[in-house]
Amino acid sequence: DVKVTQSSRYLVKRTGEKVFLECVQDMDHENMFWYRQDPGLGLRLIYFSYDVKMKEKGDIPEGYSVSREKKERFSLILESASTNQTSMYLCASRSGQSAYEQYFGPGTRLTVT
Amino acid sequence: RKEVEQDPGPFNVPEGATVAFNCTYSNSASQSFFWYRQDCRKEPKLLMSVYSSGNEDGRFTAQLNRASQYISLLIRDSKLSDSATYLCVVRTGGFKTIFGAGTRLFVKA
Repeated sequence: DVKVTQSSRYLVKRTGEKVFLECVQDMDHENMFWYRQDPGLGLRLIYFSYDVKMKEKGDIPEGYSVSREKKERFSLILESASTNQTSMYLCASRSGQSAYEQYFGPGTRLTVT
Repeated sequence: RKEVEQDPGPFNVPEGATVAFNCTYSNSASQSFFWYRQDCRKEPKLLMSVYSSGNEDGRFTAQLNRASQYISLLIRDSKLSDSATYLCVVRTGGFKTIFGAGTRLFVKA
């Protein structure tokens, strides 16, 4: 059974804190993604990675960075959390071909106060 | 204009009803199409891929109209368990995947 796990289901942080969100997949997928999901806006791509140490900006990368040191792990970093980064964060992974399914983790509900 | 647009609903239907959702996309170069289902407070999961010739999976039928740039999802004999948000997903080759904001469906007894 395929699995994508995320380090926390719920997280509360203060404005200005550095926040780390971890994602691990066990399917040996090349591609990994970070999205945020907000009501009425759907899923928006923050960053993705198609290989170890490779990363590409998505549609809304401002205020975020990522790290992929190992194939199975993709981390999202909020350098200085702000209240407008309060959201649901979803990690996903996918095999190389474009027609393949994306598998999502359970999500992290981040609240920045 | 959004790249992928869906009617947000909600659609409220009785059990046993047939319900259809449409989704339009703006990029004519889009190559792959999917419907995902997302239950409340859960992650999205693939419901079905959408093929050019149309495809069926049990009570679910998906169709693609490239000329008009829309895809559709038809659910027959709705069940209470079909209550969820249905996300239209369009991929333009490579890594560009666009998710619609979703259509909410409530099936009532």
